Amino acid sequence: AQTVTQSQPEMSVQEAETVTLSCTYDTSESNYYLFWYKQPPSRQMILVIRQEAYKQQNATENRFSVNFQKAAKSFSLKISDSQLGDTAMYFCAFMKRAGANNLFFGTGTRLTVIP
Amino acid sequence: DARVTQTPRHKVTEMGQEVTMRCQPILGHNTVFWYRQTMMQGLELLAYFRNRAPLDDSGMPKDRFSAEMPDATLATLKIQPSEPRDSAVYFCASGSGAGDSPLHFGNGTRLTVT
Repeated sequence: AQTVTQSQPEMSVQEAETVTLSCTYDTSESNYYLFWYKQPPSRQMILVIRQEAYKQQNATENRFSVNFQKAAKSFSLKISDSQLGDTAMYFCAFMKRAGANNLFFGTGTRLTVIP
Repeated sequence: DARVTQTPRHKVTEMGQEVTMRCQPILGHNTVFWYRQTMMQGLELLAYFRNRAPLDDSGMPKDRFSAEMPDATLATLKIQPSEPRDSAVYFCASGSGAGDSPLHFGNGTRLTVT
């Protein structure tokens, strides 16, 4: 079974600063994908970034980057130059590469960007 | 821009009533998922379809919930009879079925059962 843990229920950051959200996971799979989804107050689930476990290079998408540590089963999200629009719930998610491509979600981190 | 469409966006109903939620997956996607989101449990998988066939509905209370895909453009989730504990946001998501393809989510149906 796969489990995803987000140990920070809430975080806040000053506008323009950098913040890192933590995520750890547990799996016996060797090939898989990891994702960060953002859920703003509109409740839409928006894909922020994804990482393929067999790639050692950390994924980046503009101001968003990840620190993927496969041995430690850690997948943190760094948001640089935080903007007010980044205020949202952030969910870390795991997907097996083979078989059912169901997402396993963490419990989320509520991020507030303070003006 | 292709989107997953869910209706209704909000639903308020009385305990005991039947509730039907609908989802139109992205054209060409062959996997459809139903998730339920609550404060206590977070995001839980209820059912999963591939090529319209149900592959996993182990997360769904069988006595009152049912999920179907009458055709490739429509997925439905029914609750009969509804109970207050069913109050949640229900998300539909679709994917291409490829392991590296992220799921695309609809905007969810917020269900309130009084």
